[in-house]
Amino acid sequence: GENVEQHPSTLSVQEGDSAVIKCTYSDSASNYFPWYKQELGKRPQLIIDIRSNVGEKKDQRIAVTLNKTAKHFSLHITETQPEDSAVYFCAASSGYSTLTFGKGTMLLVSP
Amino acid sequence: DAGVIQSPRHEVTEMGQEVTLRCKPISGHNSLFWYRQTMMRGLELLIYFNNNVPIDDSGMPEDRFSAKMPNASFSTLKIQPSEPRDSAVYFCASSLGAPKEKLFFGSGTQLSVL
Repeated sequence: GENVEQHPSTLSVQEGDSAVIKCTYSDSASNYFPWYKQELGKRPQLIIDIRSNVGEKKDQRIAVTLNKTAKHFSLHITETQPEDSAVYFCAASSGYSTLTFGKGTMLLVSP
Repeated sequence: DAGVIQSPRHEVTEMGQEVTLRCKPISGHNSLFWYRQTMMRGLELLIYFNNNVPIDDSGMPEDRFSAKMPNASFSTLKIQPSEPRDSAVYFCASSLGAPKEKLFFGSGTQLSVL
C-alpha cells in the first residue's frame, strides 16, 4: 500500500518568513495530493490539493509543488502569519483508493 | 449545511465498558470515513463506507471495534470492551464522489478510557 513520509515534524518561523513542508510517497500510481490544516482542538480542513497532471498550484499565500519523478510534493506558505500556526497534513491516493496521510507537521509562527 | 455532526464531543469511560460514537454525514454525500488520531500514529483510517456499504475495514484494529451505517444519514463506531489504548480523537468524515475527494471532517470525539 501507499506510504507517505512528512518532514519536518515541527517547524518554527518568525512572522513574515516562508515555511516549507515536504512529503514523499511510495506508490508511483498516486495521482492526487491534498493538504489539510488542523488548528488546535479543531477538525482537519482541506486547504489546497494538486493532481498529477499539474506541477504547481497556488492560492494566495500558499502553493503546492509536485515532482512525480522523485515522488515528492511540498507545501509552501509565504508571508506567514500567527493564524497559520497549526498542524498540516499531506496525503496521497491513487485511482479510487482512500487517502493515506502523513504524520503531520506542527507549524508555529511567532509574532 | 451543518456539516458533519459527531456525538458525543467528549467521552470518558472505564476500561471494559462499551463505547458508541455517532456520526451524521453531510446530506447527499455518499462516502463516510472513520479516522482515529493519536500523537504517535497520526490520522489512521479505520473504515470506509460507500453508499452505506463497508468497502475497506482493514484499518479496524481488532474485533473489539465494529462500525455500522444503517442508512445514508447515520453511522456508529462501537468499541466493546474498551481499553486505555483506545484513548484518542475519533473523527468521522464524509465526501461526495470518489473516496479521495475533498473530505469534510466532523468535530471529533475525544475518547478517554481510564
